Amino acid sequence: EAGVTQFPSHSVIEKGQTVTLRCDPISGHDNLYWYRRVMGKEIKFLLHFVKESKQDESGMPNNRFLAERTGGTYSTLKVQPAELEDSGVYFCASSLIKRAGGPYEQYFGPGTRLTVT
Amino acid sequence: DQQVKQNSPSLSVQEGRISILNCDYTNSMFDYFLWYKKYPAEGPTFLISISSIKDKNEDGRFTVFLNKSAKHLSLHIVPSQPGDSAVYFCAARRAQGGSEKLVFGKGTKLTVNP
Repeated sequence: EAGVTQFPSHSVIEKGQTVTLRCDPISGHDNLYWYRRVMGKEIKFLLHFVKESKQDESGMPNNRFLAERTGGTYSTLKVQPAELEDSGVYFCASSLIKRAGGPYEQYFGPGTRLTVT
Repeated sequence: DQQVKQNSPSLSVQEGRISILNCDYTNSMFDYFLWYKKYPAEGPTFLISISSIKDKNEDGRFTVFLNKSAKHLSLHIVPSQPGDSAVYFCAARRAQGGSEKLVFGKGTKLTVNP
């Protein structure tokens, strides 16, 4: 079974440009999450989709970030315009819908390393 | 305001010995705690979890202990192997409004020496 995949693996862009990150979750996983890790800091939650609906977007830093999940399959995260502080590793994760006994573990992709210069 | 804290950025142990990784949290509303392991250039990989209503969960060489009164949990790896060398993240979930978001610590880099 294929894991969570993310594209691209690396992206280097200039301040002010636009970048779109893509995440393909594990097939059948209705939960999809975006996280970000700035160098040396903790992994921080950005948002959570259940199918195509945004369940929680409390971690989105500002309106320069736009996430979509059309059709409830893959998701994109667009940063427009990019700023220097947006640099970091963006992780996508997916999981099954929660069960009565507790949450299913989240499976993470390898991440996209974004560098804004 | 960091709700999940891993105060040791690194830990070095000898192969075969016990590794103990610690994690403290401040939010008493967290209901699940998880440990993830991360190798360079890879995403975090789930290791083990524990519900807030339990105090211990064991899976092979990995055991997680939870002390709710102290808001502290620890991951024990016995015996430690060189392949366990990685960054370990403690994470917590607060069930609220259907959100499944995880709150992570900064990680502890474990090095197991042969």
